[in-house]
Amino acid sequence: EAGVVQSPRYKIIEKKQPVAFWCNPISGHNTLYWYRQNLGQGPELLIRYENEEAVDDSQLPKDRFSAERLKGVDSTLKIQPAELGDSAVYLCASSPAGQVYREQYFGPGTRLTVT
Amino acid sequence: AQSVAQPEDQVNVAEGNPLTVKCTYSVSGNPYLFWYVQYPNRGLQFLLKYITGDNLVKGSYGFEAEFNKSQTSFHLKKPSALVSDSALYFCAVRDIGRSQGNLIFGKGTKLSVKP
Repeated sequence: EAGVVQSPRYKIIEKKQPVAFWCNPISGHNTLYWYRQNLGQGPELLIRYENEEAVDDSQLPKDRFSAERLKGVDSTLKIQPAELGDSAVYLCASSPAGQVYREQYFGPGTRLTVT
Repeated sequence: AQSVAQPEDQVNVAEGNPLTVKCTYSVSGNPYLFWYVQYPNRGLQFLLKYITGDNLVKGSYGFEAEFNKSQTSFHLKKPSALVSDSALYFCAVRDIGRSQGNLIFGKGTKLSVKP
């Protein structure tokens, strides 16, 4: 079974530039999560999707961050414009729907550096 | 609010010795607890979880964790450490309410196993 796929793996941009991250979850997993992991910290949830619906985006900085999951499969997270403080690893995870006790499966992440 | 704490930034162990990585939690209601491991430049991998039942939970790669309700702890253990166990370990608790299904992570503990 293929795991969670993310691209790109690394991205370096200048501040004020836009950037986008892509995630393809495990086949059949209806729930998709985007996390941000700052250096030396644990992951923090940005947004959670159930199929196409963003059911929890309370931690997403909506002034500059946006996300979409149009067909309920793959997802894109965008930052526009990027700030120096956005440098972090952005992790995507997925899990089967309706099973809140199931573990989440993580992709390798995208390491973003904003200069 | 749900939270977990990992009091040690780093744990150093000699190969072949037992290891313990500590985690304490604070929750409203029943705790649903998880351990993940992160190798360099890779996403998080699920090790084990406690939902209900036996206080000793067995997981992947020979790891186990002991749930202790009176001490509000969920320490990760392994009887005999391997050099390949060196990695970052994260404890997590399931969120409640509208954010049910989301995971709240600790800041992580770096495990270093020396030959």
